[in-house]
Amino acid sequence: GDSVTQMEGPVTLSEEAFLTINCTYTATGYPSLFWYVQYPGEGLQLLLKATKADDKGSNKGFEATYRKETTSFHLEKGSVQVSDSAVYFCALRGGSNYKLTFGKGTLLTVNP
Amino acid sequence: EAQVTQNPRYLITVTGKKLTVTCSQNMNHEYMSWYRQDPGLGLRQIYYSMNVEATDKGDVPEGYKVSRKEKRNFPLILESPSPNQTSLYFCASSLYSRTDTQYFGPGTRLTVL
Repeated sequence: GDSVTQMEGPVTLSEEAFLTINCTYTATGYPSLFWYVQYPGEGLQLLLKATKADDKGSNKGFEATYRKETTSFHLEKGSVQVSDSAVYFCALRGGSNYKLTFGKGTLLTVNP
Repeated sequence: EAQVTQNPRYLITVTGKKLTVTCSQNMNHEYMSWYRQDPGLGLRQIYYSMNVEATDKGDVPEGYKVSRKEKRNFPLILESPSPNQTSLYFCASSLYSRTDTQYFGPGTRLTVL
């Protein structure tokens, strides 16, 4: 079945540092790929998405590129802020029932 | 405002006492789904619905029921809750398409004693 593997956390960075959170997937067919963010005490919000190979999703300074050859969708940001502290989930949507399959999440803490 | 709402947001109950968590969306989405979030396990799908009167099991359906009598509502029913159902539950909705974003409700934190 479909699966998503993302780097284990927690990740702790200083403000203005570069962020990478790795995400790889296994899926049949042509899934869409998503990054969701969960701020403390809140639900999940879409951060960005890409629906086909070589697409780049971007939002709020975050970027991720759909790489079919390496089955990856790594999240990057050039300069993190304290307000980026949250849990980040990589997910794919595909299969016969279009369900979302999530990675286990990566907790990011950004210190001033 | 386009949104998915869930009620209650917090619930503490005892083993065996039937409960229902409601979910409603105002975006006219065909697809609705329930997930549970547990530490170290991420989010796992419980049930989903592709449209009215069309529901099916997800990855962890044991101990749960759902119904979809109206397009906007998708309640989650625990007929005899047990402590291993203590979790954070999310409802989500979207169009029925591989490329569409699923929109999540704020979550319901359930504790079963």
